[in-house]
Amino acid sequence: GAVVSQHPSWVICKSGTSVKIECRSLDFQATTMFWYRQFPKQSLMLMATSNEGSKATYEQGVEKDKFLINHASLTLSTLTVTSAHPEDSSFYICSALARGEYNEQFFGPGTRLTVL
Amino acid sequence: GEDVEQSLFLSVREGDSSVINCTYTDSSSTYLYWYKQEPGAGLQLLTYIFSNMDMKQDQRLTVLLNKKDKHLSLRIADTQTGDSAIYFCAETSDRGSTLGRLYFGRGTQLTVWP
Repeated sequence: GAVVSQHPSWVICKSGTSVKIECRSLDFQATTMFWYRQFPKQSLMLMATSNEGSKATYEQGVEKDKFLINHASLTLSTLTVTSAHPEDSSFYICSALARGEYNEQFFGPGTRLTVL
Repeated sequence: GEDVEQSLFLSVREGDSSVINCTYTDSSSTYLYWYKQEPGAGLQLLTYIFSNMDMKQDQRLTVLLNKKDKHLSLRIADTQTGDSAIYFCAETSDRGSTLGRLYFGRGTQLTVWP
């Protein structure tokens, strides 16, 4: 199947700093990527839908100024957590949508963010 | 929003069959998926079923869909310790504004005892 990578796989940062997470589709082009957040033993919560060349669509309750999403190319979307605080500590997972016979999302391995 | 419900825990003995159940509310669902998540990892697509199908079998995996009752199940035959993971049920529809968007259940933690 298609491969989606995320970088970094884990990051520890101080409160107040900004952290950028990259999501890449390695062998296919993705006009749409999704960013999820997952708390321990919880399901994935969709944060935003990222469309190449346009502004991201954020889910209700997700602060667009805090979670900046850029989808500048067909293979790369970035999520920047600005002025991170301990409550932003979570597992962030991206997925890329492959259009074809059916709409399949390929998921990245996730990024563990810990804010001290 | 759309609701997808799953039982949270399932324990089975190695070699037995596992059945993970899922219910959903969206009558316009077009595809239903089962994903597997191992600790600290992203989601791996196990199998999917189109909404006009009743059953799909793929090696040890059997998916049953009761569209009338909006009930989906995943049966794993000859369950192995390597099958221990969290299994997520998800659904999507072809509604234009939400194309590709997945709605997930909370996941079922499958524990396989040797």
